[in-house]
Amino acid sequence: DAKTTQPNSMESNEEEPVHLPCNHSTISGTDYIHWYRQLPSQGPEYVIHGLTSNVNNRMASLAIAEDRKSSTLILHRATLRDAAVYYCILRDFLQDTGRRALTFGSGTRLQVQP
Amino acid sequence: DSGVTQTPKHLITATGQRVTLRCSPRSGDLSVYWYQQSLDQGLQFLIQYYNGEERAKGNILERFSAQQFPDLHSELNLSSLELGDSALYFCASSVAEDEAFFGQGTRLTVV
Repeated sequence: DAKTTQPNSMESNEEEPVHLPCNHSTISGTDYIHWYRQLPSQGPEYVIHGLTSNVNNRMASLAIAEDRKSSTLILHRATLRDAAVYYCILRDFLQDTGRRALTFGSGTRLQVQP
Repeated sequence: DSGVTQTPKHLITATGQRVTLRCSPRSGDLSVYWYQQSLDQGLQFLIQYYNGEERAKGNILERFSAQQFPDLHSELNLSSLELGDSALYFCASSVAEDEAFFGQGTRLTVV
């Protein structure tokens, strides 16, 4: 499986934008880029995913480099509730539907200061 | 609320014992995944079931087993428990490829 590399931790101030980077230099053409986050004492939750084009949803934006070897999760205005571990995960969409478990790395721990 | 229900929330048991963790997936989700999260190992994929059949295995010990029933709920059985099995156990479900939904987890403490 292609691997992702993320910084161990990042800090942000409340109400400021946050850019969380992810490197995936060995990404294959059939890998989707998924982001999940895990709030303290909770299970992971889906944030966003994309293949080639930038994506936006109510939670965040995902900016994907043209060569797809890196991506950035953007939280437009960080809140205290966004303090969590953020995971960048590659998922091969050609794999059999019944075999696509998510493989979590160590993620980026985001701290948000008031 | 993700729609995935795990029971019990907390479990304390002694070494050598056997426990069963239960997961009810979101309505209509055919895939169920089990993960273990301990302090030093992060989130480790254990096993996946799809519509009642085992589909993928991760780092699951031989002392652990799982099954998915016709109503799609799943159980994870942990036996001959050791202190190192103390962890959070998460279940997730999905129907398509967009996202997986995780439960709140079962915190297992082996004493």
